[in-house]
Amino acid sequence: DIQMTQSPSTLSASVGDSVTITCRASQSITTWLAWYQQKPGKAPKLLINKASTLESGVPSRFSGSGSGTEFTLTISSLQPDDLATYYCQQYGSGWTFGQGTKVEIK
Amino acid sequence: EVQLVQSGAEVKKPGDSLRIACQGSGYTFTNYWISWVRQMPGKGLEWMGNIDPSDSDTKYSPSFQGHVTISVDKSISTAYLQWSSLKASDTAMYFCARHPRVAGGRYWGQGTLVTVSS
Repeated sequence: DIQMTQSPSTLSASVGDSVTITCRASQSITTWLAWYQQKPGKAPKLLINKASTLESGVPSRFSGSGSGTEFTLTISSLQPDDLATYYCQQYGSGWTFGQGTKVEIK
Repeated sequence: EVQLVQSGAEVKKPGDSLRIACQGSGYTFTNYWISWVRQMPGKGLEWMGNIDPSDSDTKYSPSFQGHVTISVDKSISTAYLQWSSLKASDTAMYFCARHPRVAGGRYWGQGTLVTVSS
């Protein structure tokens, strides 16, 4: 099984800050990686597919990068609406999610 | 418009059986896989398994293999997640998601809350 390790588990930042979330796979998944945003009581929302492809309608302040085993999600200018939990997910062999990163606004 | 509509919340007792549903509309049901994802209260997302509705080929996460059954009735564009004997630890929100064979899930159901309590 492919394991996904995500960090940090929580981050607190101010509006306008740039924040980065890291995800590491236990083996190479090339670019078979997605990022999701989940708000309380809601289904996850797909933000990024294939490690760096922004989904239609997702603000351009979100970006993804990486390949192999190391990946990052960056929010370039944090907005109040970005308060949520973010998950990485590999889909090269079934699905595996990272543990999640809760983003708080200072 | 693509939609996945899940069946309503359930309250069950330990040992009960249960089947929850996920009905797809707005697309050709057999062209996309369905995955099921568990989210226990206050916890993260866990992939349970998936099914190819075109031939009912199913893959389970090792953590859920033998504990649940995923099936589909393509005549009514509906996927199912089934338990034969619920435990209190099955209390969770369950989501279905639609995706191509190798991809993330762009479309998700609204979730079904399952509560198992004596």
